[in-house]
Amino acid sequence: GQNIDQPTEMTATEGAIVQINCTYQTSGFNGLFWYQQHAGEAPTFLSYNVLDGLEEKGRFSSFLSRSKGYSYLLLKELQMKDSASYLCAVMDSNYQLIWGAGTKLIIKP
Amino acid sequence: SAVISQKPSRDICQRGTSLTIQCQVDSQVTMMFWYRQQPGQSLTLIATANQGSEATYESGFVIDKFPISRPNLTFSTLTVSNMSPEDSSIYLCSVSAGDSGEQYFGPGTRLTVT
Repeated sequence: GQNIDQPTEMTATEGAIVQINCTYQTSGFNGLFWYQQHAGEAPTFLSYNVLDGLEEKGRFSSFLSRSKGYSYLLLKELQMKDSASYLCAVMDSNYQLIWGAGTKLIIKP
Repeated sequence: SAVISQKPSRDICQRGTSLTIQCQVDSQVTMMFWYRQQPGQSLTLIATANQGSEATYESGFVIDKFPISRPNLTFSTLTVSNMSPEDSSIYLCSVSAGDSGEQYFGPGTRLTVT
């Protein structure tokens, strides 16, 4: 079967750095996506990785290792507004998105 | 990217009734998706709606319960039929519109069935 694993919840301090991990087992791979979802709102697209390595976009970076079935989302200089759920999703061989359960990130002052 | 609107934003319905949710996109898109999201859980794909063809339903979802229309490239509807309290959820539509195939989501419809 297809499976995506992420930690359920993480806590970090304002101004610090946090890394949210995602491991996956899917039938084929056509890219990995990270989304942010604030409570009561729709998910918003953060990043996309299809090749191994690090993609940086401002305070957010996303890393992919296809051989390990592993990705992480790195958030720097954390702000209170970064408190949200972060969803990892993999596009399989049928170009369908397989979603992880999401990681709830709590930022403390 | 794409801008997506949904109507209604929320509704409270009685069991046994039906509700139709509308999804409007500001540009023409080939693929539209309907998801359900229970509180605190991830997204579950209900079906993929392509213009000019029947929707493709995921395991556990059937057309009689969740009929979908896709009359053109900017609009789709999802009907939740013969509702029960177990249908209480957030329903989201999305479109595949980015260079990388990323999906963009509407604001969601929060449905409560009493």
